Amino acid sequence: GAGVSQSPSNKVTEKGKDVELRCDPISGHTALYWYRQRLGQGLEFLIYFQGNSAPDKSGLPSDRFSAERTGESVSTLTIQRTQQEDSAVYLCASSFFGSSTDTQYFGPGTRLTVL
Amino acid sequence: GESVGLHLPTLSVQEGDNSIINCAYSNSASDYFIWYKQESGKGPQFIIDIRSNMDKRQGQRVTVLLNKTVKHLSLQIAATQPGDSAVYFCADSPMDSSYKLIFGSGTRLLVRP
Repeated sequence: GAGVSQSPSNKVTEKGKDVELRCDPISGHTALYWYRQRLGQGLEFLIYFQGNSAPDKSGLPSDRFSAERTGESVSTLTIQRTQQEDSAVYLCASSFFGSSTDTQYFGPGTRLTVL
Repeated sequence: GESVGLHLPTLSVQEGDNSIINCAYSNSASDYFIWYKQESGKGPQFIIDIRSNMDKRQGQRVTVLLNKTVKHLSLQIAATQPGDSAVYFCADSPMDSSYKLIFGSGTRLLVRP
């Protein structure tokens, strides 16, 4: 079946502009995660959605970052007034339930470059 | 704070040899550990996982060893193949927020023909 998809695959923007990144999780997965991966580094947790529960936003680095998810489907990560430090690959993952032993399946990521 | 780190940023092995990738973690309360493989331009791919009540788990050509005493995790790949070339990440899951994975910075595995 189809895996996690993300769009766009690459995004180049100017400092100060807003960007919106999209994630389509695997159908039937109730949990969705966003991570950020800076060049040559590991993944940093950003935000977690599980069903209709309140999202865990504890990883969002500033109030310029926000994310939404409609039901158990598409999620969008929005970065307002982008800064050069926001340049990174943004990865989305989904899993069936969101428990600790629930395998997270990752999308290919969106590479964001802020000039 | 919590951290999961790796001892070697790059590991070069001969095709056919066994590879061992090491990882140290700092949170003694971590309950669950995972290894991911990330090929260039792709998202991480799950390889193998282990719970804290185990010290060894085997998959196809891969074995994960967990030493809770020294908070050390390793991934062993048998008969390393060119397709194994990638960056390998370990991650742990704290018990108080089980869905939140804490990733290390990764080890790049290079397989020499």
